[in-house]
Amino acid sequence: NAGVTQTPKFRVLKTGQSMTLLCAQDMNHEYMYWYRQDPGMGLRLIHYSVGEGTTAKGEVPDGYNVSRLKKQNFLLGLESAAPSQTSVYFCASSTVPDQPQHFGDGTRLSIL
Amino acid sequence: KQEVTQIPAALSVPEGENLVLNCSFTDSAIYNLQWFRQDPGKGLTSLLLIQSSQREQTSGRLNASLDKSSGRSTLYIAASQPGDSATYLCAVGNTNAGKSTFGDGTTLTVKP
Repeated sequence: NAGVTQTPKFRVLKTGQSMTLLCAQDMNHEYMYWYRQDPGMGLRLIHYSVGEGTTAKGEVPDGYNVSRLKKQNFLLGLESAAPSQTSVYFCASSTVPDQPQHFGDGTRLSIL
Repeated sequence: KQEVTQIPAALSVPEGENLVLNCSFTDSAIYNLQWFRQDPGKGLTSLLLIQSSQREQTSGRLNASLDKSSGRSTLYIAASQPGDSATYLCAVGNTNAGKSTFGDGTTLTVKP
């Protein structure tokens, strides 16, 4: 019963490096979301997808790109990492918006 | 812009006590409202989801209410247990695309 799986769980990057965070869900959900969680700022939506092949900007999209080539996967990319992107990143999915969102356990990303 | 506030930021109670967590939001034109639980180092687990047309939802010892006109929701926990210790977040769904605004959470400690 995997649910939503995020890889990697931890990562340390240097400023300017690039990386991709992977989110995979096995529940056949249409909607997928990427959030970042920072102390005192709650969870903020970065990008989201309402179905395979679609993506849309959330509240804080700058510095990030996403792709949803397959329904079960939602990738979050950092092209040139900056210290301000140090955060815990969460992926979530849902069948439709009026159903609960299911979250992964997060990726803890530090950028030096 | 929707703003979500959760007060208090932290709450400590003895085991067995009934308690209420509060969530307030500034824009009453919401799609739904969700309460989540987050354990340290983990993702969010959905507890209850209230649609905009509903007034309350119940699950076991948990009861969530929604008053859109006053911009408030409460999460009532009956007969609290040490296992209830966690951070509780509310998320206001703003659109039918699943975009939500999260509060910063209330960290609950239930002492044996």
